Amino acid sequence: AQSVTQLDSHVSVSEGTPVLLRCNYSSSYSPSLFWYVQHPNKGLQLLLKYTSAATLVKGINGFEAEFKKSETSFHLTKPSAHMSDAAEYFCVVSDPDTGRRALTFGSGTRLQVQP
Amino acid sequence: EAGVTQSPTHLIKTRGQQATLRCSPISGHTSVYWYQQALGLGLQFLLWYDEGEERNRGNFPPRFSGRQFPNYSSELNVNALELEDSALYLCASSFGLAGGPRYNEQFFGPGTRLTVL
Repeated sequence: AQSVTQLDSHVSVSEGTPVLLRCNYSSSYSPSLFWYVQHPNKGLQLLLKYTSAATLVKGINGFEAEFKKSETSFHLTKPSAHMSDAAEYFCVVSDPDTGRRALTFGSGTRLQVQP
Repeated sequence: EAGVTQSPTHLIKTRGQQATLRCSPISGHTSVYWYQQALGLGLQFLLWYDEGEERNRGNFPPRFSGRQFPNYSSELNVNALELEDSALYLCASSFGLAGGPRYNEQFFGPGTRLTVL
């Protein structure tokens, strides 16, 4: 079985300061991991994905995440927050069995950006 | 390139009725997935269709069903609606079983908000 745990339900930062959203995963296999973002009343947008090619993954809008196997973590970071980053962020693990394909979502982290 | 589209945007039904939600995938994608995002329950996998067949199902009762058409669009049907079915229903699409290394990249539509009164 696989799962992801997002360690913070809410994170508040000031505009221009760094962002850190924490995610730990549990998987019996080499996982595929993703971060998605959901703006209010919108669908989910793929920010970035890890599929074992490189441990540091760069995504859209200046976000990046580092896969650390020893810590079973896949934290999302951004050097400088913008007001437009305010949204809910989901850490996601993909079932490695291609015959199943289900994504397992974390509970989400709501990011607030203060002016 | 057009993204995943869903209709309707909002749907209001009463308990016991049936709801039909529709999804059109990104051109070239043959797999369609349905997810439920309910308050307090998070995002849960419902169904996966590929090449017209149901490939996998989440932990939902049989009154949640669907189908995929030859043009790869999909319908989700919810019968005998209950109050707790009120949620945002998200559709996603991806390359199919022969899609190579990008098969697990799922792209989401804006969702259909179902309210059951």
